[in-house]
Amino acid sequence: EAGVVQSPRYKIIEKKQPVAFWCNPISGHNTLYWYRQNLGQGPELLIRYENEEAVDDSQLPKDRFSAERLKGVDSTLKIQPAELGDSAVYLCASSKGGFDTEAFFGQGTRLTVV
Amino acid sequence: QKEVEQDPGPLSVPEGAIVSLNCTYSNSAFQYFMWYRQYSRKGPELLMYTYSSGNKEDGRFTAQVDKSSKYISLFIRDSQPSDSATYLCAMSLSGYALNFGKGTSLLVTP
Repeated sequence: EAGVVQSPRYKIIEKKQPVAFWCNPISGHNTLYWYRQNLGQGPELLIRYENEEAVDDSQLPKDRFSAERLKGVDSTLKIQPAELGDSAVYLCASSKGGFDTEAFFGQGTRLTVV
Repeated sequence: QKEVEQDPGPLSVPEGAIVSLNCTYSNSAFQYFMWYRQYSRKGPELLMYTYSSGNKEDGRFTAQVDKSSKYISLFIRDSQPSDSATYLCAMSLSGYALNFGKGTSLLVTP
């Protein structure tokens, strides 16, 4: 069974430019998460989806970050415009949902803003 | 003060040693406790998943949760060089939004 797939693996952009990350969760997983991991830190939740609905986006900086999960499968996370402080690894995770909350992570997208 | 505290290490042990990794937390409402392993430039990999208190064993790995002390542990027996990685503890009220520690860097030397 394929795991959580993310692309691109690496991205380098100039500040003020837009950037987008894509995630394909494990088949059949209804819950999808986006986390951000700064160097030397644990991941921090940005947003959680239950199917198409964003049920927890309290930590998402909404002035520049947006996310969508059309049709309750793939998801895209966008930053516009990017700032130097956005340099981090962006991780997508998924779980089955309901009482099954074991979350499985993708390899992440390493973003460098210069 | 963060809700989850974890010593970042690094922790260096010889091959075959028993490794003890720990986290403390401040939110007594946490019910779900996990340990993830993260290799360099990879995503976190779920190792152990525990609900509420008690012990759980899986091969060379044992997870312990002491809710009265707000303390969780991961033990690795017969450690191998392939165990060298960063170990992240995570916990949650509902099982959903995970609160991670900073991670402990472990090096197992042959």
